[in-house]
Amino acid sequence: GAVVSQHPSRVICKSGTSVKIECRSLDFQATTMFWYRQFPKQSLMLMATSNEGSKATYEQGVEKDKFLINHASLTLSTLTVTSAHPEDSSFYICSARWGEKLFFGSGTQLSVL
Amino acid sequence: AQSVTQLGSHVSVSEGALVLLRCNYSSSVPPYLFWYVQYPNQGLQLLLKYTTGATLVKGINGFEAEFKKSETSFHLTKPSAHMSDAAEYFCAVTLYNFNKFYFGSGTKLNVKP
Repeated sequence: GAVVSQHPSRVICKSGTSVKIECRSLDFQATTMFWYRQFPKQSLMLMATSNEGSKATYEQGVEKDKFLINHASLTLSTLTVTSAHPEDSSFYICSARWGEKLFFGSGTQLSVL
Repeated sequence: AQSVTQLGSHVSVSEGALVLLRCNYSSSVPPYLFWYVQYPNQGLQLLLKYTTGATLVKGINGFEAEFKKSETSFHLTKPSAHMSDAAEYFCAVTLYNFNKFYFGSGTKLNVKP
């Protein structure tokens, strides 16, 4: 089956630093990738939709200057959390669309100290 | 706009008992519906999906769901629960273009021995 690789799985950083999370589709080309944020015991909140070669579309309330998304190729999308604050601590999950199916990465637990 | 409501944030069943996880959707146009399972600190795995055709869909691990338009429901069932079914389950909805996926708040399934 299709595989989406997300790295790192866990990252701890200091407040004010930037963190980059990578999402790769390993065996298929994903024209669309999605980034979600999941708070403890809550559902996935769609942050942005990323299409290869174009600017990401952010959901209402998501700061595009804080959460930078780059979809440079059909197999790679990155999310950079800039000037991270403790309230940015969360579980971030990427997903890649292939036809009618959505495949998920294993998630990144971000902890900002 | 589309939305999903999952009734019951926690469901507990005995091993071997019927599993029923409820999902109701709201959509102004025919929806595509999905059930995903999430194990701790992991991404989501697709259990099953409904797009068109037969309203009773079978998925992996013995799960199935029935699309009932009149009730705007897509409940997930399994005749006999197994300990390995303990996880969190999310219902999701999208439209024919798969541009966005919206998730319910999730239901945590606990299976008692």
